[in-house]
Amino acid sequence: EAGVAQSPRYKIIEKRQSVAFWCNPISGHATLYWYQQILGQGPKLLIQFQNNGVVDDSQLPKDRFSAERLKGVDSTLKIQPAKLEDSAVYLCASSLEVYPEMGYTFGSGTRLTVV
Amino acid sequence: SQQGEEDPQALSIQEGENATMNCSYKTSINNLQWYRQNSGRGLVHLILIRSNEREKHSGRLRVTLDTSKKSSSLLITASRAADTASYFCGGETSGSRLTFGEGTQLTVNP
Repeated sequence: EAGVAQSPRYKIIEKRQSVAFWCNPISGHATLYWYQQILGQGPKLLIQFQNNGVVDDSQLPKDRFSAERLKGVDSTLKIQPAKLEDSAVYLCASSLEVYPEMGYTFGSGTRLTVV
Repeated sequence: SQQGEEDPQALSIQEGENATMNCSYKTSINNLQWYRQNSGRGLVHLILIRSNEREKHSGRLRVTLDTSKKSSSLLITASRAADTASYFCGGETSGSRLTFGEGTQLTVNP
């Protein structure tokens, strides 16, 4: 079974530029999550999708962050414009509710550096 | 807001010793999950314990849950150098929302 795929692996941009991250969850996983992990901290949930609908985006800074999950499969997370404090690893995860014992499957993340 | 809060923040032990990490959470949960994260990688699911369970085992892992104290512990027995990683607990609330704590950095010295 293929894991959660994320790209790019690394990205360096200047502040005020825009950036987009892509995630392909495990096939058949209806729920998809984007987490932000600042160095030395735990992952913080940004947004949760169920199929192609948003379940929870209460922690998403909507003035600069946006996310979509077209057709209920792939997802993109965009930041525009980026700030220095957005430097972090952006993790995508997916889960299958009928098998909660399996937990969430995470991708390797995209490390973003804003300079 | 963080759901889990791990203790200690850092733990250093010798190979073969047991490692115990604790986690406290704030609100009612459906289950509590433990994950491992190696440097530069994503999180890997270790074990899930439901709110109506008190103890669970998986290989060298033992997890306990005390819902009255809103706390959990993860015990890794006979630790190995390969167990060196950060460990995170996450409480899952209704709606499949998983919120993590700040993690425990475990170092196992050979």
